[in-house]
Amino acid sequence: EVQMLESGGGLVQPGGSLRLSCAASGFTFSSYAMSWVRQAPGKGLEWVSGILGSGGRTHYADSVKGRFTISRDNSKKTLYLQMNSLRAEDTAVYYCAKDGDYDDYGWYFDLWGRGTLVTVSS
Amino acid sequence: DIVMTQTPLSLYVTPGQPASISCKSSQSLLHSDGKTYLYWYLQKPGQSPQLLIYEVYRRFSGVPDRFSGSGSGTDFTLKISRVEADDVGVYYCMQAIFVPPTFGGGTKVEIK
Repeated sequence: EVQMLESGGGLVQPGGSLRLSCAASGFTFSSYAMSWVRQAPGKGLEWVSGILGSGGRTHYADSVKGRFTISRDNSKKTLYLQMNSLRAEDTAVYYCAKDGDYDDYGWYFDLWGRGTLVTVSS
Repeated sequence: DIVMTQTPLSLYVTPGQPASISCKSSQSLLHSDGKTYLYWYLQKPGQSPQLLIYEVYRRFSGVPDRFSGSGSGTDFTLKISRVEADDVGVYYCMQAIFVPPTFGGGTKVEIK
């Protein structure tokens, strides 16, 4: 079955750090770019970061640049998001999303995980 | 960043009746390769988003043919020919021609 499962969310104080993981199965993970997309409570969707299947050419939203780092381990079929210097406005459900194009960025997402909630609060 | 504007914010539809959602982009989504990079997603209550339409009008695998997409340049429309109870949720358009990909604010579809 093709699926992705995020983990690592939780409650963290402002200024703190958290690392999210996304375990993928059912497709050739290393052949697809992956992204993180977040959704603040009751709000719309915001793309956060993307990474190619090879692990290169990473991209970040301006709102997280310099604070978040995306990475992947293709041997473990797992995507990561290291989040540092967290702010209240980073509070959201974080989804991992599989790119729809093979071997390069298509910048659209044909498979989404269930999401993991990150709450930044003191 | 490209701004995506959806209307209406919400839609109440009688089952079996049609529904239409508009999406406008702040720049043309027509690429020099001839493709137009506009997508539609549905987020059902309590679920993650799912891809419905890619490149304006192409239905993703498993999407019923009552869903159709149209438009060009900066103006796009998602139509549901006959709304069913399973179609409730928030619909988002998204552009993928420029990085970062950006989403519309969403249109909530509810059943009367």
